[in-house]
Amino acid sequence: DIVMTQSPDSLAVSLGERATINCKSSQSVLYSSNKKNYLAWYQQKPGQPPKLLIYWASTRESWVPDRFSGSGSGTDFTLTISSLQAEDVAVYYCQQCYSTPHTFGQGTKLEIK
Amino acid sequence: EVQLVESGGGLVKPGGSLRLSCAASGFTFSNPWMTWVRQAPGKGLEWVGRIKSKTDGGTTDYAAPVKGRFTISRDDSKNTLYLQMNSLKTEDTAVYYCATGGNNLNYWGQGTLVTVSS
Repeated sequence: DIVMTQSPDSLAVSLGERATINCKSSQSVLYSSNKKNYLAWYQQKPGQPPKLLIYWASTRESWVPDRFSGSGSGTDFTLTISSLQAEDVAVYYCQQCYSTPHTFGQGTKLEIK
Repeated sequence: EVQLVESGGGLVKPGGSLRLSCAASGFTFSNPWMTWVRQAPGKGLEWVGRIKSKTDGGTTDYAAPVKGRFTISRDDSKNTLYLQMNSLKTEDTAVYYCATGGNNLNYWGQGTLVTVSS
């Protein structure tokens, strides 16, 4: 199974500042035939189900503000929030969908400093 | 509007069985692959398994902890996804979510809580 490891486990950032969450996979999730990274990011707010934020490592869902961006390729990925807003407080998960089981990272809890 | 509504959760004793349902609306249910994900209380997300569309063969994949005990099925005529859970263990206690997609999980239900306890 592919192991997904996020860092840090928790993060406190001031409003308006940048937040960066890292995700590392134990093997590459880049599919050579289509050059897509099978890596998604989800946002889960308290008491709610997760919501798809970013897929193919860097493609934002239509509802996602452009302060959110995803980057990386192969085994190393980053979710960046360029200017933290209060509504961004949540737990963020990465997930690989390159091979089953589609494993998740352990989650990163993002709070306001 | 896409809606997924899980049901069937509850309290069950170890070794027991439960069948979860996920009623879908707002899209052509037969098209997408569907996935189950669970979340133990206070813990992270765990992929349970997925089922392909009938067009793509309707086959299933499972996570190791549930393989041989859980079965995912779909009834496209009823727009419903199922998760049959047998030989339940205390570690299966979790909120169970259904989601559209076999890779990127675009839409999620609100989840149904399964508690396995004596």
